[in-house]
Amino acid sequence: GAGVSQSPRYKVAKRGQDVALRCDPISGHVSLFWYQQALGQGPEFLTYFQNEAQLDKSGLPSDRFFAERPEGSVSTLKIQRTQQEDSAVYLCASSFGTGPHEQYFGPGTRLTVT
Amino acid sequence: TQLLEQSPQFLSIQEGENLTVYCNSSSVFSSLQWYRQEPGEGPVLLVTVVTGGEVKKLKRLTFQFGDARKDSSLHITAAQPGDTGLYLCAGGPKLHSNYQLIWGAGTKLIIKP
Repeated sequence: GAGVSQSPRYKVAKRGQDVALRCDPISGHVSLFWYQQALGQGPEFLTYFQNEAQLDKSGLPSDRFFAERPEGSVSTLKIQRTQQEDSAVYLCASSFGTGPHEQYFGPGTRLTVT
Repeated sequence: TQLLEQSPQFLSIQEGENLTVYCNSSSVFSSLQWYRQEPGEGPVLLVTVVTGGEVKKLKRLTFQFGDARKDSSLHITAAQPGDTGLYLCAGGPKLHSNYQLIWGAGTKLIIKP
């Protein structure tokens, strides 16, 4: 497809379960970002990849959060032992270059932890 | 700490009215982007401004970057229900980063028919 896709669109997890969220960026885009967004708020940075290298994971809230992009394209955000405070929309964005360029967002995955 | 403050946080007006929303900071940014986000979707880029004093028009939307590149405004003329959404500004790059954007919390805009 032409845009960024994310799956699943919705995920309900029981507290303590592990979840994996997938992002397919635009083909050829070097940069990939993961964000967490609370309702009615701006995106909060989680982590950044340049190709397969994770250059910045300073926004990951705890060591239960892990992200990878092994071949420099598809990325997965994994959350282990989910907690209720993890409930949010997780957005993935990609951009062509490595600077503060325009970012193209996927539709997000809404995670609800019960 | 670099911050982008957006105002108002929430705005509800009638179709046909004009409005302006603001994005302010005490920090200088090399570029500033405006996005619109509809419920259940990711933000969509509207415009990027890079030059102090720059004005860009996108149909009924007018974007302005402040002379000092610390603030920006979005003016909508004759608002329509399709303009409803969360308007986000993002400035870049973050200090000591060449890729990370600083995001505002957004202005939630509702246009009533």
